[in-house]
Amino acid sequence: AQSVTQLGSHVSVSEGALVLLRCNYSSSVPPYLFWYVQYPNQGLQLLLKYTTGATLVKGINGFEAEFKKSETSFHLTKPSAHMSDAAEYFCAVSNQAGTALIFGKGTTLSVSS
Amino acid sequence: DVKVTQSSRYLVKRTGEKVFLECVQDMDHENMFWYRQDPGLGLRLIYFSYDVKMKEKGDIPEGYSVSREKKERFSLILESASTNQTSMYLCASSRPRDSPNNEQFFGPGTRLTVL
Repeated sequence: AQSVTQLGSHVSVSEGALVLLRCNYSSSVPPYLFWYVQYPNQGLQLLLKYTTGATLVKGINGFEAEFKKSETSFHLTKPSAHMSDAAEYFCAVSNQAGTALIFGKGTTLSVSS
Repeated sequence: DVKVTQSSRYLVKRTGEKVFLECVQDMDHENMFWYRQDPGLGLRLIYFSYDVKMKEKGDIPEGYSVSREKKERFSLILESASTNQTSMYLCASSRPRDSPNNEQFFGPGTRLTVL
């Protein structure tokens, strides 16, 4: 069975600091991996996805993630945090394109000035 | 842009009531999904549908049913609402399996309170 583990339910950074949100997955087949962001009182918005090909994936708002098969990880990074990045972030996995996603429990990112 | 709309942003119901949550998407997507979101638990899949009139159970289907009579509409039904169904409900849609662009698009959510 697939699963997703997000390390750290809450991450706090200062404005301008590096953002690192951790995601590890388990899957018996090559996975499809996603990061979504949720701003308060809104639905989820896709940040980026990995399906096949290049393992370093660039997304919206300056975020990127690297698929590391040997570590079964798909960590999300951003070089310099902005106040507007404060939100909840979800990592998700599926084992087939277009099928249901398995979500992690989410990481709340706080950004202080 | 894909638009997924949900019938209500906030809903308050009484225990034992039958509750309908409606979801409509305008991009002709084959796949539609219902999740519930609870603090500390992330999103959990309730039901999903890969085509009209078909449905499959997700991880937590107990106490829920669904209906998909038209491609663009996917309804979640709480047959007899209970307080433990107080939650945020999120609908999503996506292109069919094996489509190259297969990410799910989410609606804004319905925050349901059962008293």
